[in-house]
Amino acid sequence: EAQVTQNPRYLITVTGKKLTVTCSQNMNHEYMSWYRQDPGLGLRQIYYSMNVEVTDKGDVPEGYKVSRKEKRNFPLILESPSPNQTSLYFCASSSGLAGWDRDTQYFGPGTRLTVL
Amino acid sequence: DAKTTQPNSMESNEEEPVHLPCNHSTISGTDYIHWYRQLPSQGPEYVIHGLTSNVNNRMASLAIAEDRKSSTLILHRATLRDAAVYYCILSPGTYKYIFGTGTRLKVLA
Repeated sequence: EAQVTQNPRYLITVTGKKLTVTCSQNMNHEYMSWYRQDPGLGLRQIYYSMNVEVTDKGDVPEGYKVSRKEKRNFPLILESPSPNQTSLYFCASSSGLAGWDRDTQYFGPGTRLTVL
Repeated sequence: DAKTTQPNSMESNEEEPVHLPCNHSTISGTDYIHWYRQLPSQGPEYVIHGLTSNVNNRMASLAIAEDRKSSTLILHRATLRDAAVYYCILSPGTYKYIFGTGTRLKVLA
């Protein structure tokens, strides 16, 4: 089944303890992206990747890192999490075949992160 | 970057058509208009997209104003399963997607 998977789905951690949220897609997609969703603010893009080893900042990249060493994986790294990073995180991918601006994005199920 | 404006919430009766509006008055000529929806406790899912012409698919229709400053997502017969938050999004072709806060659609039985 074609899908985007995220792990973990739920995570409670403490301030300053490094964590990684994994994202994997099995559709051989070129583009991958991370979003955070907060009440009243909708979804905001954190980072995106156009291909292996090619990443760029979205609208809210502060406090996050990403890497794209393999096409299928796009982990989100919080080196020193803070309470303002408590949020619902979504990973998404798209094929890139039709062009980024007209491609369909496929979203993962989300990771709910709480930083105490 | 161009932004979209949507009503916070709308209600519809089951099996009636629903018209969800979106304003994007600062849209540029090459921005595609996408609609996604987010069912409760799920990630967003694609609904439809278009550039200038009206578009139809099995889920919905997209009507785009001639000046492209607004668009309307049309659900022809709303069902209870269509209750979701609907997002109107512009993709400016710079690898960025700009989501707004969306419209929460409530479908009444």
